[in-house]
Amino acid sequence: EAQVTQNPRYLITVTGKKLTVTCSQNMNHEYMSWYRQDPGLGLRQIYYSMNVEVTDKGDVPEGYKVSRKEKRNFPLILESPSPNQTSLYFCASSANRADQPQHFGDGTRLSIL
Amino acid sequence: QQQVKQSPQSLIVQKGGISIINCAYENTAFDYFPWYQQFPGKGPALLIAIRPDVSEKKEGRFTISFNKSAKQFSLHIMDSQPGDSATYFCAATVGWGNKLVFGAGTILRVKS
Repeated sequence: EAQVTQNPRYLITVTGKKLTVTCSQNMNHEYMSWYRQDPGLGLRQIYYSMNVEVTDKGDVPEGYKVSRKEKRNFPLILESPSPNQTSLYFCASSANRADQPQHFGDGTRLSIL
Repeated sequence: QQQVKQSPQSLIVQKGGISIINCAYENTAFDYFPWYQQFPGKGPALLIAIRPDVSEKKEGRFTISFNKSAKQFSLHIMDSQPGDSATYFCAATVGWGNKLVFGAGTILRVKS
């Protein structure tokens, strides 16, 4: 079954404590992205990756880091989380470009206190 | 600043009725316009998409209408069902790179 798997699904943490949200896809897709979803703003792209070792900033990259060392994995790193990063996060993958259907994970709800 | 403006924020429709959600954009470089459906606790799922070289695309009960000159596109859900109750997002993208811009979303509730 085609899947994008995110972990953890829920996390409550404190300001400044580094955290990583993992994302893994089993479809051998080249493109992967991270989005955050906030009420009234829809989804906003944080970072995307076009292949291993190729990443680029989306619309709201400040405070986030990513890496793409393997094709299947695309972790999102918050080095020093702050309360304004409290949000619902989604990872997505796509076969080869934006106009191919994207598969989304089920989301990670982060609360930064 | 929302690059894709979506309306209404919420919508209540009777079972069997037509649900209509509208989106407008400014960037004429956008060349692909997908719609996503999201159920509570789940990620968005691609529903239907259109390119600007066609004015309408239909898949089952879902139709996208596209007006290039007005820079607007809309989703019509015919014979709306309670199972269609979800949040719907329009989006737009430019060329290569998997960079999607989303509207703010519309919460649809279909009353039985």
